[in-house]
Amino acid sequence: DTGVSQNPRHKITKRGQNVTFRCDPISEHNRLYWYRQTLGQGPEFLTYFQNEAQLEKSRLLSDRFSAERPKGSFSTLEIQRTEQGDSAMYLCASTKTSGSWELFFGEGSRLTVL
Amino acid sequence: GEDVEQSLFLSVREGDSSVINCTYTDSSSTYLYWYKQEPGAGLQLLTYIFSNMDMKQDQRLTVLLNKKDKHLSLRIADTQTGDSAIYFCAEKGSNYQLIWGAGTKLIIKP
Repeated sequence: DTGVSQNPRHKITKRGQNVTFRCDPISEHNRLYWYRQTLGQGPEFLTYFQNEAQLEKSRLLSDRFSAERPKGSFSTLEIQRTEQGDSAMYLCASTKTSGSWELFFGEGSRLTVL
Repeated sequence: GEDVEQSLFLSVREGDSSVINCTYTDSSSTYLYWYKQEPGAGLQLLTYIFSNMDMKQDQRLTVLLNKKDKHLSLRIADTQTGDSAIYFCAEKGSNYQLIWGAGTKLIIKP
């Protein structure tokens, strides 16, 4: 089963360090999303890609966050100079932009900033 | 603006039916979704309904849609301990984004 894959699953880092998360979407999906989720909340939209183009980025997203999807396949999300408030689960999802437009999620990457 | 609201908790006895409710605001939504999230895991799509439908049934799951009241519900028949999770309602908004509720935690009593 080639679902959405994310790694690492867990990352513990010290404040001020940079971290990078990777997402491998379902192969035929052209759209890829990044969300952030904190305890007791629904997913918060960060950004999304249509193929390799980053089409939208949340206005809440600081300049310390950057995402890429260089060949329209896997994507990376980098957080520079991490802060304690960045501690959260980072979720990746992919979909085809046709039909019922179902989002398929990965298991998430949990970030803890000490 | 667009908003999705859900109750935060629902407690039911094992074997009973669970009904999780959701209200949304975007009348132009074409699809509405129910996702399940178990502790420490990602979100799993349970079912969805197209806006021109009133009801959709899939094994133990029944989705009811009342477009007039912008109300969506998920009924789980014969609730089991494995159904313990947080259930999120989401609507496909006008800008191709999903608008999410805060989730309803389903608690199963023995």
